[in-house]
Amino acid sequence: DGGITQSPKYLFRKEGQNVTLSCEQNLNHDAMYWYRQDPGQGLRLIYYSQIVNDFQKGDIAEGYSVSREKKESFPLTVTSAQKNPTAFYLCASSIGGVNTEAFFGQGTRLTVV
Amino acid sequence: AQSVTQLGSHVSVSEGALVLLRCNYSSSVPPYLFWYVQYPNQGLQLLLKYTSAATLVKGINGFEAEFKKSETSFHLTKPSAHMSDAAEYFCAVSGARSSYKLIFGSGTRLLVRP
Repeated sequence: DGGITQSPKYLFRKEGQNVTLSCEQNLNHDAMYWYRQDPGQGLRLIYYSQIVNDFQKGDIAEGYSVSREKKESFPLTVTSAQKNPTAFYLCASSIGGVNTEAFFGQGTRLTVV
Repeated sequence: AQSVTQLGSHVSVSEGALVLLRCNYSSSVPPYLFWYVQYPNQGLQLLLKYTSAATLVKGINGFEAEFKKSETSFHLTKPSAHMSDAAEYFCAVSGARSSYKLIFGSGTRLLVRP
């Protein structure tokens, strides 16, 4: 089945540690996105990539990093510089273009203790 | 800059009643608008999208939305609520030239009373 796979579903990390969230898609989509979701704040864009080996900062990129070495993969690293990393993280992909919808993974809930 | 505003963080209706979830947008270019639904601890699923072909857009699960340029609105409706409609709903906009970004509203949680 085609889709977007995020792993793991739940992740616990100690404060000060970097952690990488995985996102893989087999939809042959050019564009991929990372969103952060906090209660009452909707989805905020962290990073997005329109093509392999290229990505742009979203609205809340500080404390995060990404790579796009393969079309299928867009991992997100939450670094120790992110002041409040506990959140629900959603990865999405789209064909590309302003009128195409995004398809979402099931999310990763990160808890930093 | 583009943005969307969803009025009401929570909406409660009785089963069988009309569902109305409000979304207003701001865009300097013709917008492309989307409604998504999210069930607890899951990703988002597309309900419907507006791409200028028709102002009344029909989506899945009996939902529809009407684009009103004069009111800069794209409200989501369903004639008769079902218990399974209880979820969080997000309005989103894209349309900036050369940008694939989707900008989301803050969401509206729909509660359906038996």
